[in-house]
Amino acid sequence: ILNVEQSPQSLHVQEGDSTNFTCSFPSSNFYALHWYRWETAKSPEALFVMTLNGDEKKKGRISATLNTKEGYSYLYIKGSQPEDSATYLCAFGAGSTLTFGKGTMLLVSP
Amino acid sequence: GAVVSQHPSRVICKSGTSVKIECRSLDFQATTMFWYRQFPKQSLMLMATSNEGSKATYEQGVEKDKFLINHASLTLSTLTVTSAHPEDSSFYICSARAGVGNQPQHFGDGTRLSIL
Repeated sequence: ILNVEQSPQSLHVQEGDSTNFTCSFPSSNFYALHWYRWETAKSPEALFVMTLNGDEKKKGRISATLNTKEGYSYLYIKGSQPEDSATYLCAFGAGSTLTFGKGTMLLVSP
Repeated sequence: GAVVSQHPSRVICKSGTSVKIECRSLDFQATTMFWYRQFPKQSLMLMATSNEGSKATYEQGVEKDKFLINHASLTLSTLTVTSAHPEDSSFYICSARAGVGNQPQHFGDGTRLSIL
């Protein structure tokens, strides 16, 4: 059974704060690392698919880094806004299927 | 783009009932569709992977006779929970992927199944 861990479990920040969370995954048999944003009452939305060690991807105020040798990825949100409130999921791909972490629930207060 | 529609969003029914959940990719052809289940405070757990026109591949511990998956076209997959019991109550969500490998999965909104 693959172990994908996300921390922290939840996070509460003020509008304007920058924040980051971690996803750790097995460092062997790496294929891809996915990040999704899941807002309440909506479907999970793909943010990034990362495949290369040292990769860094950016989408607006959100960016992610990848270290496949040590088995972790960071997701950063710069200047958090209330609309960033969601659960952020990472998923480890070892082939065609994904193993998900439990997610980090982010709440951004105005 | 990449919209996935899942119906119904909520089902409440009596024990012994069979429940069918549909997953449709509306604006792309899904080479592969995935079915997940999520129990409270747990992660999304993959139940099965289905490719159009072939039998689904079930994850260990998932009964294929209990959870029937049909993937008849490149835009539609169905999950039927046969003779559902209270322990089958859960959140079921599908995803679809165009192409292979490192393409992102596109998710439906999920189905909350409650068996009385």
